[in-house]
Amino acid sequence: EPEVTQTPSHQVTQMGQEVILRCVPISNHLYFYWYRQILGQKVEFLVSFYNNEISEKSEIFDDQFSVERPDGSNFTLKIRSTKLEDSAMYFCASRKDGNSPLHFGNGTRLTVT
Amino acid sequence: AQSVAQPEDQVNVAEGNPLTVKCTYSVSGNPYLFWYVQYPNRGLQFLLKYITGDNLVKGSYGFEAEFNKSQTSFHLKKPSALVSDSALYFCAVRDMEGTGNQFYFGTGTSLTVIP
Repeated sequence: EPEVTQTPSHQVTQMGQEVILRCVPISNHLYFYWYRQILGQKVEFLVSFYNNEISEKSEIFDDQFSVERPDGSNFTLKIRSTKLEDSAMYFCASRKDGNSPLHFGNGTRLTVT
Repeated sequence: AQSVAQPEDQVNVAEGNPLTVKCTYSVSGNPYLFWYVQYPNRGLQFLLKYITGDNLVKGSYGFEAEFNKSQTSFHLKKPSALVSDSALYFCAVRDMEGTGNQFYFGTGTSLTVIP
């Protein structure tokens, strides 16, 4: 069964550094998402992306965050200048269309020191 | 705004007993509801969804959920719990206002099945 894949599985960075989290959504999916989860708790919506542009974004998704779909397969989340509070598990998700559910990757654990 | 609430942070059940994980929702319009399960160090896995139709929805791994419009609930159930069902469970609602592309998740319920 097709899967959403995320790399790396764990990223350690210093405060103020830029990080790029990478995702390969399921190939025939049209909608792409980033969520984050802090300490195995609430799953927080960051951004949704459709038709090569941001569809919706949350208050968390400020100017430090950006997303890109540079080619037909990758979907990236960039954090320009990381803060300690950005430490979390970041999940990429995709869905096909209509009423299809979200399919999640296994996440990237970001640790900001 | 659409939202879901999971009133229990933790549910414990003995193996072989029926289990229920509770979820209530608040939406304007028709609800689009989902259940996901998360195992340690893994992403969320889709279990089942309610869009329309029968109030009892069957999903993966023997799970089912009952949609109750009058009580605005969408509780997850399984007739006989397995130790391997121990995991974190999330209820979610799709926000059909605006673009319809946003999904909101509850705070999660940790299920422990005791051997």
